[in-house]
Amino acid sequence: DAGVIQSPRHEVTEMGQEVTLRCKPISGHDYLFWYRQTMMRGLELLIYFNNNVPIDDSGMPEDRFSAKMPNASFSTLKIQPSEPRDSAVYFCASSFGPTGILGYGYTFGSGTRLTVV
Amino acid sequence: GQQLNQSPQSMFIQEGEDVSMNCTSSSIFNTWLWYKQDPGEGPVLLIALYKAGELTSNGRLTAQFGITRKDSFLNISASIPSDVGIYFCAGQLGGSQGNLIFGKGTKLSVKP
Repeated sequence: DAGVIQSPRHEVTEMGQEVTLRCKPISGHDYLFWYRQTMMRGLELLIYFNNNVPIDDSGMPEDRFSAKMPNASFSTLKIQPSEPRDSAVYFCASSFGPTGILGYGYTFGSGTRLTVV
Repeated sequence: GQQLNQSPQSMFIQEGEDVSMNCTSSSIFNTWLWYKQDPGEGPVLLIALYKAGELTSNGRLTAQFGITRKDSFLNISASIPSDVGIYFCAGQLGGSQGNLIFGKGTKLSVKP
């Protein structure tokens, strides 16, 4: 099992540009989560999906952020236009059920470090 | 929203020392999980707890689910340099089928 795969690992972009982060969850997992991590705020839940349907996007900071899950094996998080304050590490995680099989929690990807200059 | 209060925020210790960190909440939790995040990587599950009072070990790590179901602690014995990282607690609120809530993390630094 390759785990949760995120791409790219690092992204440096100029303010105002569109940024797209990608995630491939573990096969068979029916929940997918997008998190943002910063020193100030820690891990923030942005949005999560169940069976490809967005369930709660209350953590999405602004309309500049959007997420899609067109099928069970792929999700994107898009920021348009990007701003320097969006600089953070973005994690994707997946699970079977809201807390994972037997409550074993989520499997996280390695993250995308986004820098907006 | 519901919050987990994790403390301490950071720790600087000498190699060989024991470490203790905890999470508390004003709400009851069904499940407590502890994760470790190595630098440059995503969090990885260390220990999962399911019952009040449960005490579980994983090598040098020991975690307990508080009797009141409102807290949990993680102990690391005889720390080594590779214990460096950020430790997160997470839990599922009692009476809910909702997703996990994460604490803000404890950053551990170990001096050789």
